[in-house]
Amino acid sequence: DAGVIQSPRHEVTEMGQEVTLRCKPISGHDYLFWYRQTMMRGLELLIYFNNNVPIDDSGMPEDRFSAKMPNASFSTLKIQPSEPRDSAVYFCASTYPLGSLGTEAFFGQGTRLTVV
Amino acid sequence: SQKIEQNSEALNIQEGKTATLTCNYTNYSPAYLQWYRQDPGRGPVFLLLIRENEKEKRKERLKVTFDTTLKQSLFHITASQPADSATYLCALGRAGNMLTFGGGTRLMVKP
Repeated sequence: DAGVIQSPRHEVTEMGQEVTLRCKPISGHDYLFWYRQTMMRGLELLIYFNNNVPIDDSGMPEDRFSAKMPNASFSTLKIQPSEPRDSAVYFCASTYPLGSLGTEAFFGQGTRLTVV
Repeated sequence: SQKIEQNSEALNIQEGKTATLTCNYTNYSPAYLQWYRQDPGRGPVFLLLIRENEKEKRKERLKVTFDTTLKQSLFHITASQPADSATYLCALGRAGNMLTFGGGTRLMVKP
C-alpha cells in the first residue's frame, strides 16, 4: 500500500476562496482523522470518521469548515470562505482497530495551506 | 479541560548519550499513550504504544514508561545518533481511537 495519500501537497489561495483538501486512507482502515498543525497550537484534531460516518466534529473551528467521507477510500476537508488564519499544515490519518484499544495512526504527508 | 504538556524547548544532547523526553498530562485518564516522530515537512510516524496497565515498553534503542499516578510518560533514546534528530510527539487516547497530541519536543543530537 502507498500509505495515506493527500493532495495537494501545497495550496496557496486568496482570502475568500474555497479550498478543498483530499485524502485517500490506507485500504482496510476503518478510522479517518483530519488534523491541523500550527506552531502556536500544535496538532489539533478537527474531525474523525468511523466507517465513513462522522463521529466527532467538535474540533472543527467554525462553520466555514466541513468534511465528508463519501466512501471508504476518499475524504475531503473543505474551507469556504478561507481566511489567512486558516494557514496551516493539514494532515489526514487513518487507523485499523485491531480489536483492542489503541492502534498506530498512519499519517499522510500533509497539505500546506497558505491563505493570502 | 485536558492538557498535554511536552517541553517546548529543544533538547540538545551529544551523540551517544541517552535522550529523555517528558510528556505530562492533566484532567485526563487515557487508556493508552503513543509516541510519534516527526521530521520537517513530513507527517508524524508512529514509534511506540503503551497501555495504562503497562509500566514500560521497549523497542530497540527506545524505551517508554507510563506512570498513571504521576500522569507522566518518559521517552528514552539510548545511544543517540544525529539521525535521531527530529520532533517527538506524545499522544493520548481512549476507546474509539481518538488521539490528542502534545505540542512536541524537538531533539537535536550533535556529533
